[in-house]
Amino acid sequence: NAGVTQTPKFQVLKTGQSMTLQCAQDMNHEYMSWYRQDPGMGLRLIHYSVGAGITDQGEVPNGYNVSRSTTEDFPLRLLSAAPSQTSVYFCASSYIGTAESPLHFGNGTRLTVT
Amino acid sequence: AQSVSQHNHHVILSEAASLELGCNYSYGGTVNLFWYVQYPGQHLQLLLKYFSGDPLVKGIKGFEAEFIKSKFSFNLRKPSVQWSDTAEYFCAVKTNAGKSTFGDGTTLTVKP
Repeated sequence: NAGVTQTPKFQVLKTGQSMTLQCAQDMNHEYMSWYRQDPGMGLRLIHYSVGAGITDQGEVPNGYNVSRSTTEDFPLRLLSAAPSQTSVYFCASSYIGTAESPLHFGNGTRLTVT
Repeated sequence: AQSVSQHNHHVILSEAASLELGCNYSYGGTVNLFWYVQYPGQHLQLLLKYFSGDPLVKGIKGFEAEFIKSKFSFNLRKPSVQWSDTAEYFCAVKTNAGKSTFGDGTTLTVKP
């Protein structure tokens, strides 16, 4: 059972480049989300989804797009990378029907924008 | 909207010392409360959770937390820390709709 799989692990981009961070889960979780982690700021929610075809914005959505065409996949797109997007990105998923269900996290993607 | 506040940003303890990390939340509805731990270079993992019943919950590795509804608190405790507990600890509140909000985290350093 792979859990939550994120790729790539590391990425360096130049300002203005675009890229997609991949996230897949094999636990049939309805809820999927993307967080960014910055020192001293905890985890901030970028976008989330409660099911295929449904997405919504979190605290810090600007500069990022998401889509949810299947239950398993939830890619995060950076449209035009900026140095302020240098961060560690985590994808996380959980069941919705059982509120006590915890988030399951991927291993993270460390992104540097120069 | 929900929010979570963790009072201690960095805690330094010697091995065998007792630990208490503060967490307060703000949310008007039914809450489900979690503590996650992030060991250096790793992703977040569940430490313990509260959703109903006994307000004192026990987690892995000897950790426990107490939910005090009147104080909107969910403090994490461990009677005797070990060097291997060095990590970052996050308190989180999850709504019934599935959305989780995290505190800023507390970095715990345990000196051997």
